[in-house]
Amino acid sequence: EVQLLESGGNLVQPGGSLRLSCAASGFTFSSYAMGWVRQIPEKGLEWVADISGSGAKTFYADSMKGRFTISRDNAKNTLYLHMNRLRVEDTAVYYCAREVASESYGHFERWGQGTLVTVSS
Amino acid sequence: DVVMTQSPLSLPVSLGQPASISCRSSQSLVFSDGITYLTWFQQRPGQSPRRLIYKVSNRDSGVPDKFSGSGSGTDFTLKISRVEAEDVGVYYCMQGSHWPLTFGQGTRLEIK
Repeated sequence: EVQLLESGGNLVQPGGSLRLSCAASGFTFSSYAMGWVRQIPEKGLEWVADISGSGAKTFYADSMKGRFTISRDNAKNTLYLHMNRLRVEDTAVYYCAREVASESYGHFERWGQGTLVTVSS
Repeated sequence: DVVMTQSPLSLPVSLGQPASISCRSSQSLVFSDGITYLTWFQQRPGQSPRRLIYKVSNRDSGVPDKFSGSGSGTDFTLKISRVEAEDVGVYYCMQGSHWPLTFGQGTRLEIK
């Protein structure tokens, strides 16, 4: 059974940093691109970033580019999102989601349960 | 960026009645490979999003056939043939044909 389990969400001050993790199981992790999507509380969904199955290719939303870094460790079956220079408006639930192939994007076939990041002083 | 516009944003429906959600994109979603990457997600209260429909009209495994997707180019529709209580939630369309990936604002379906 495909499982995606996010962790690392926390309360952080503006300007601070945080690293989110997504532990994957039930499938061959390296065979699938992965992505992060966020949801501001009671609001809609916003794509954050995607990464290819090998990790060689990454893609970012403009508002996250230069502050967020998506990465993966295929030996540990884990996806990461490193977030720097956090802003109040980054407060959201962050979901990791599985794509359908190693270099196929924008499908989000399976989702994790999400982890809450709160940016506040 | 491709803007995805859903309507209505709120959809009260009586049990057993049909429902229809529109999703329009600001540019064609036909990708260079000829495929249209338009996806529908359902988010029930307190849950993560769940993919229902991909490539306009393909239902995911386990999705009841009361859900159907249609459309082409810039104009797409999600239909529910007979609404049940378990269908309450927010429905999102998303385009995967252009970077950055973009979602519609969401349509909240409620029981009248």
